[in-house]
Amino acid sequence: TQLLEQSPQFLSIQEGENLTVYCNSSSVFSSLQWYRQEPGEGPVLLVTVVTGGEVKKLKRLTFQFGDARKDSSLHITAAQPGDTGLYLCAGVRFIGMRFGAGTRLTVKP
Amino acid sequence: DVKVTQSSRYLVKRTGEKVFLECVQDMDHENMFWYRQDPGLGLRLIYFSYDVKMKEKGDIPEGYSVSREKKERFSLILESASTNQTSMYLCASSQSTPGQGVSGANVLTFGAGSRLTVL
Repeated sequence: TQLLEQSPQFLSIQEGENLTVYCNSSSVFSSLQWYRQEPGEGPVLLVTVVTGGEVKKLKRLTFQFGDARKDSSLHITAAQPGDTGLYLCAGVRFIGMRFGAGTRLTVKP
Repeated sequence: DVKVTQSSRYLVKRTGEKVFLECVQDMDHENMFWYRQDPGLGLRLIYFSYDVKMKEKGDIPEGYSVSREKKERFSLILESASTNQTSMYLCASSQSTPGQGVSGANVLTFGAGSRLTVL
């Protein structure tokens, strides 16, 4: 059982569509992070959300931390082929960062 | 530009062989981590280290050991490789936050990964 459950596992959409991916847990986290990983590379941090209810925007990407700090979402507006990749959420549990299994996004031109 | 370098991108080993995966960071980070990444399972923490010669088990340490003799270098060792250790191995490092150490929500900087195949 994953500490952090991500959904959907796979998502394939057309360029210009909007999408939301989710990261859920039964545990409370002091903060959650979102990373993006491209083929042949390690994950790269996109954002850290710290406060319950917090919303952060990064160009066309909007990240939200749930009020209870157990879940987070990532919304992409007008997806581009360059958004293709594996999106991972991560949270600190005891010591060390734990990751979800990821959402693999494909944006077709 | 900050960097985490993993010495081998691709390795093929035979069952029972001893395998060393090397990781070097040039950012003077205190914390270093080894994860393995498998489809559908995401990244799972094998071991981490918060100081030279210090190590802590992660979630799946069985079959692995680590060594951190110098601050910049963190090695993952498979004493006797098995086929179920075929995976992508990712090394990461992070800066300690004063008062939080490795438990803080520090930014992880990852290497490009080492894909190990055990035949």
